[in-house]
Amino acid sequence: GQNIDQPTEMTATEGAIVQINCTYQTSGFNGLFWYQQHAGEAPTFLSYNVLDGLEEKGRFSSFLSRSKGYSYLLLKELQMKDSASYLCAVLANDYKLSFGAGTTVTVRA
Amino acid sequence: GAVVSQHPSWVICKSGTSVKIECRSLDFQATTMFWYRQFPKQSLMLMATSNEGSKATYEQGVEKDKFLINHASLTLSTLTVTSAHPEDSSFYICSARTSGSSVGLEEQYFGPGTRLTVT
Repeated sequence: GQNIDQPTEMTATEGAIVQINCTYQTSGFNGLFWYQQHAGEAPTFLSYNVLDGLEEKGRFSSFLSRSKGYSYLLLKELQMKDSASYLCAVLANDYKLSFGAGTTVTVRA
Repeated sequence: GAVVSQHPSWVICKSGTSVKIECRSLDFQATTMFWYRQFPKQSLMLMATSNEGSKATYEQGVEKDKFLINHASLTLSTLTVTSAHPEDSSFYICSARTSGSSVGLEEQYFGPGTRLTVT
């Protein structure tokens, strides 16, 4: 089976930076995705990494190290609307997405 | 970007009845669609992979006779929960896979989800 770990909860202040870590052990690797999910809604795509390194997209950046089975999502200049659950998902050899349990980020004023 | 719709967005049904949920790709053709289930405060769990024109592939532990999947066209997949019970109450989400997108070959677009409550 697939094993994907991420912290359950994180809290940060508006304007600050938060880093959400994700470690994985999967049967093969074809890419890692980060999704944002607000309560009662479907996930929305944030980023995709398949090669080592940092991918930057505005306030959000994602990093991947395949040798370490590790990724992080970096949220900068936090806004209240960033309060949500952030899901790490890995595409394994069978080309199916396996999701972590999600990290609930709470942004406080 | 690609849009996936689901219908209905929420449904309440009585125990023992069947419920059908539709998943449509609105502006692209999806040869593969996925059905997930999400219980409160838990992550998405893949239930089955739906391929157009062929039988769905179910994940271990998912009853194929209870969760009937039909992928009749390149833009529509349906999930029917037969003889629903309260423990089937959950958030059901579909996704459709595109190919050749700017992100890569394996990006999935998610529908808005269907909240099923079985009383």
